[in-house]
Order: sequence, then C-alpha cells, then structure tokens
Amino acid sequence: QVHLLQSGPEVKKPGASVKVSCKTSGYNFGNYGVSWVRQAPGEGPVWMGWISGKNGTPRYAQNLEGRLTLTTDTSTTTVYMELRSLRSDDTAVYYCARDVGVDGSGSPYNQLDNWGQGTLVTVSS
Amino acid sequence: EIVMTQSPLSLPVTPGEPASISCRSSQSLLHSNGHNYMDWYLQKPGQSPQLLFYLGSLRASGVPDRFSGSGSGTDFTLKISRVEAEDVGVYYCMQSLQSPPTFGPGTRVDIK
Repeated sequence: QVHLLQSGPEVKKPGASVKVSCKTSGYNFGNYGVSWVRQAPGEGPVWMGWISGKNGTPRYAQNLEGRLTLTTDTSTTTVYMELRSLRSDDTAVYYCARDVGVDGSGSPYNQLDNWGQGTLVTVSS
Repeated sequence: EIVMTQSPLSLPVTPGEPASISCRSSQSLLHSNGHNYMDWYLQKPGQSPQLLFYLGSLRASGVPDRFSGSGSGTDFTLKISRVEAEDVGVYYCMQSLQSPPTFGPGTRVDIK
C-alpha cells in the first residue's frame, strides 16, 4: 500500500535551515508528485509547494520562494523539503502528501490522497 | 489567491443524527473541463489529514458511504447521513483551481 514516512522532529535556532525527508513506497514514484503542507499550532493547513516525481520540477508558494527548496532522489523514491532562514513563525508540523499535481491537460491540480505522519519543526532561541 | 470560508466553525453532533458542513469560495471553482477543483479533508485528533472527496463529489477510497459531497461553482456541502463517534475531527475544504491551493478555516465536529 501507499506509504509516506517522514524524518523525525527537529529543533532549530532562528536563522538556521532545516531539511525534512519523506520516503515514499507502494506506488510508481514517477506517476505522482509530492506536496508539502505545514500546520502551525492550532491553525489550519497551509500549502507550501509541490514537486514532480517524474522530472523534479517544483512549484512553490509565492511567500516561500527564495527560502524553500524541494528536491527528489528517484533512486530511493525520497522527497526532501529544505527551509532556510528559519523564524519563530515557521514552527509547525510539516506534512508531505502524495499529489498528482497536474490534471489531464497538464494544468496545476492538487489532490493530496496519502499523507505522511508529520514532522514537528520547532524554531526557538 | 482564492479565499475559502466554512460554516459552522464548530458543530456538536449527536451519534446517529445527520450533519452538514458548508464551504464557499471567493471565486468559482468550476474548471472549463466541467469539474469543480475542490476537495474535502478530515483531520482526526492527533492524526494527519485524510482525503474524503475530490473534484467536489467523488468519494476517496475507503470513505464510508454515509458521507456525501455536493455543490458547484462557489458553494459546496459535505453531509454525513448518520454521524458515528469515529467521525469527530476537523473538516477542511481546499481549492486547487488556482495556485496556491488554499484551505478553509476548518469545521470542528465533536460529539455532544
């Protein structure tokens, strides 16, 4: 069955970077992308970006452009999320989710049908 | 960006009774291909969100048929015909017609 396994919790100081991994299994990696979504304490989910499993093309939320990098390792079917210049308001649970990312015509379309367990990233001095 | 709103934000329910959640978008979510680019997710306590419905009304794998999704354009509804204790959690609608995909504020469903 489809499974997304994320790396463990992180504690970082303001200004540092964090890199979270998402190991996928149980499906053809090249047929789907992976979206990243974060959820601050007591808040709703917020989409951060998506990366294609087929060719590694990313799409980022505009407010995170320049600080966020998504990458893939097709040999291990793992997706990575790196966030730089961390601030206290980046404290959140970060989720990866399998996401087709495009519709039949190639236009952006998101359907997050399987989710990882979440990774808590705490930013504190 | 498209703004999603939900009502109510809190919904106490009685097991066995029906429940309904409304979601509205600031712009029509009807794509030129005839599909509404709107999904419903449920986040049970302490868990990751899970997909309930996609394209407005298509039930995701494993979702019980007591759940139904309907609507088009800017108005959508999630209904539970008979609430069960396992249905508690926060329900979110999400649009993906325009990037970035945006979620509603959530409707917290709990047992009376």
